[in-house]
Amino acid sequence: GIQVEQSPPDLILQEGANSTLRCNFSDSVNNLQWFHQNPWGQLINLFYIPSGTKQNGRLSATTVATERYSLLYISSSQTTDSGVYFCAVEGEGTSGSRLTFGEGTQLTVNP
Amino acid sequence: ETGVTQTPRHLVMGMTNKKSLKCEQHLGHNAMYWYKQSAKKPLELMFVYNFKEQTENNSVPSRFSPECPNSSHLFLHLHTLQPEDSALYLCASSQVGVYEQYFGPGTRLTVT
Repeated sequence: GIQVEQSPPDLILQEGANSTLRCNFSDSVNNLQWFHQNPWGQLINLFYIPSGTKQNGRLSATTVATERYSLLYISSSQTTDSGVYFCAVEGEGTSGSRLTFGEGTQLTVNP
Repeated sequence: ETGVTQTPRHLVMGMTNKKSLKCEQHLGHNAMYWYKQSAKKPLELMFVYNFKEQTENNSVPSRFSPECPNSSHLFLHLHTLQPEDSALYLCASSQVGVYEQYFGPGTRLTVT
């Protein structure tokens, strides 16, 4: 099946810093989503971005499908940005909806 | 209620108990999913239902039994679980043919 690798596994920032999280995937995709998992376990949808670039406030994401990677940018980070960021993909060859998740990036933003 | 809801949010059960997890989606979707998130592991897909029909069972042990009575409700019936089944169980929904999935808050299950 499709493989998903996220980097870095852990990231510690001071409030106000910018960061870039990366997601590499091994095959063509129908779906790529970025999620933020808060300390209570809730997965919050950040972006649905199988290709192209999107922005939402301080967050933006870019997926270069031909090169099989996606980047999540966080600017002017805040303590509330702390948590785990997951990239999840669905391969083009799969039947039905079958998201494969990466192992996540644990982000800690210190005040 | 909006989005995807799950009950209970926390559950502690013994290995001989029988319990059920409930998921309800208020988004008008017609596909629903169960995922398992164990400590230090990525989320793993367990089951997929499209239009109330199970379309995927990801080699899940029979002590987990899903039920989808309609497109809005999904249950996971649990019996004779093992301590290693302790995990966060997440439900998701989507529209068939539209790939974006939306997740509930999860049920944190502890098996003693």
